[in-house]
Amino acid sequence: DQQVKQNSPSLSVQEGRISILNCDYTNSMFDYFLWYKKYPAEGPTFLISISSIKDKNEDGRFTVFLNKSAKHLSLHIVPSQPGDSAVYFCAAQNPGAGSYQLTFGKGTKLSVIP
Amino acid sequence: DAGVTQSPTHLIKTRGQHVTLRCSPISGHKSVSWYQQVLGQGPQFIFQYYEKEERGRGNFPDRFSARQFPNYSSELNVNALLLGDSALYLCASSRGLDTASGNTIYFGEGSWLTVV
Repeated sequence: DQQVKQNSPSLSVQEGRISILNCDYTNSMFDYFLWYKKYPAEGPTFLISISSIKDKNEDGRFTVFLNKSAKHLSLHIVPSQPGDSAVYFCAAQNPGAGSYQLTFGKGTKLSVIP
Repeated sequence: DAGVTQSPTHLIKTRGQHVTLRCSPISGHKSVSWYQQVLGQGPQFIFQYYEKEERGRGNFPDRFSARQFPNYSSELNVNALLLGDSALYLCASSRGLDTASGNTIYFGEGSWLTVV
């Protein structure tokens, strides 16, 4: 039973355009969401997060939008750069579960074409 | 400051053997978590330790165990290895437990375990 779903395994975008990565979740107890970026042979790197009390958080070229009623979040990268090519993981947290474990989606592989 | 460091980076074990993976968190971080990532999947939570106490356990068999030492480093032990245990094992550290208060979770580069 996957509680965090990234339904697009891959995405190709032209350099300079917007990349939109999507994530859906089923557990309404999740109240904090994070995006991680992972290059091959490296550990995941934290990108940006959002609390459930917000609907948008922005950090430079990265913006995360949260739609709680739809249980959907998205990561926007503008403008996309070739160095953004990586696997992006959406993760969610339910502190009420007693620990602060992250539940991850399967990831979306982003390819930014020069 | 050094990031999260893990050892070994790669190892090959035979079915039925035992393995110990090690992790040193970022200096000042008291929480360590372990995740398993198999090919094509996202990381799956195994354990979380905070101040040397287990604070969470994922859906893994009792063959998996872990501990945290007084210096906050941690070990993950897996007994009676199965082929299906082949994966990337990631260690993550954070200053505290409450991520929403800004305690970002940082990951190490992982230990690649192959069971043959």
